[in-house]
Amino acid sequence: DTAVSQTPKYLVTQMGNDKSIKCEQNLGHDTMYWYKQDSKKFLKIMFSYNNKELIINETVPNRFSPKSPDKAHLNLHINSLELGDSAVYFCASSLAGRGSEQFFGPGTRLTVL
Amino acid sequence: EDQVTQSPEALRLQEGESSSLNCSYTVSGLRGLFWYRQDPGKGPEFLFTLYSAGEEKEKERLKATLTKKESFLHITAPKPEDSATYLCAVQPNAGNNRKLIWGLGTSLAVNP
Repeated sequence: DTAVSQTPKYLVTQMGNDKSIKCEQNLGHDTMYWYKQDSKKFLKIMFSYNNKELIINETVPNRFSPKSPDKAHLNLHINSLELGDSAVYFCASSLAGRGSEQFFGPGTRLTVL
Repeated sequence: EDQVTQSPEALRLQEGESSSLNCSYTVSGLRGLFWYRQDPGKGPEFLFTLYSAGEEKEKERLKATLTKKESFLHITAPKPEDSATYLCAVQPNAGNNRKLIWGLGTSLAVNP
């Protein structure tokens, strides 16, 4: 009965490749997020979707493209991977409104060689 | 500018030695303040939400408090399993209030 799940957990790839990370939540939430956590452990918001509509789009290279086929799923596609993309990527979800706690997935550790 | 600062960066305690972690914030109106725990190799785990100054929440050995400028996470008689990074985030009232402002966390180690 996993609440927020991500696949894959680990991703090792070469520079220049294209890869995707998938996220699913079964909490009935209407908002989903992608975060990047670097080696200093800072959580940086990248994107957020509410009911399939993009509501947060931070300054992220356009090599990163999120897609939300429905409100339970949010995928992240990364083109032309670079060394600096190596990080842990977390998906999270929440319900809109006051005190909208975000619940996180287990993370995807991306290593670009 | 909205900002969250956590201190100390790292804290080492002996088992049973109580202490507090600090989260100072500046935000244009507070909608909510959140505490999370993150274990190595895992995603942040939600602990508490606080909405207004004077509010307190408790869970086992943890108690979170809130003032108009900061929040404290008090850890009473910690055990080694409390070792983790504790993250604080605030949700502003203004602007895109779905976006949380995160601190860098306090890394807590509890020695047996």
